[in-house]
Amino acid sequence: DTEVTQTPKHLVMGMTNKKSLKCEQHMGHRAMYWYKQKAKKPPELMFVYSYEKLSINESVPSRFSPECPNSSLLNLHLHALQPEDSALYLCASSTRDSGGTYNSPLHFGNGTRLTVT
Amino acid sequence: TQLLEQSPQFLSIQEGENLTVYCNSSSVFSSLQWYRQEPGEGPVLLVTVVTGGEVKKLKRLTFQFGDARKDSSLHITAAQPGDTGLYLCAGRAYNTNAGKSTFGDGTTLTVKP
Repeated sequence: DTEVTQTPKHLVMGMTNKKSLKCEQHMGHRAMYWYKQKAKKPPELMFVYSYEKLSINESVPSRFSPECPNSSLLNLHLHALQPEDSALYLCASSTRDSGGTYNSPLHFGNGTRLTVT
Repeated sequence: TQLLEQSPQFLSIQEGENLTVYCNSSSVFSSLQWYRQEPGEGPVLLVTVVTGGEVKKLKRLTFQFGDARKDSSLHITAAQPGDTGLYLCAGRAYNTNAGKSTFGDGTTLTVKP
């Protein structure tokens, strides 16, 4: 079992819907990530949170809105998505080294399979 | 330009064969990870290599990190159907924004019984 838990596992939503993806980890990691992955492709970074603050936004459209309520939780709010946004959305976490770097590996959840109709 | 060039992209072999997957870059990496991802699941960490020239073994899997820390390889001996999956190399290059792991394009491995 993965130590990063994502819910829901599957989500089907219409283009006018509002939904949220949730991610939780209790490993004490202070860096958390959202990735988008298409079939047989590598994960593409969307957002990075460090100590509950957004540190990287990879020019993601505003219809994706991340939120980090505390050190264990990460949400991704979805609104007015397009069919091409259908993908596997992966949450990951990692420690930050004492020097403030991110050299530790990523721990991934099993993802939310999102289908936009 | 892809920071991490991974090859081959697809590999289909018979059970018992050996294979090698390569991950190459012109950049120097502080560390490099190999992950395996099975359908419907997230990537799972196999190994982290940190030191140039390092060799790590995980049962039938052997990982090498190049002396200059710009390349890595994954060798599987006597592949089994359970090795089937998407193999990803990833790392953080010194000249990139902290927090951004670069991924190779992945190698989809199919091992036929």
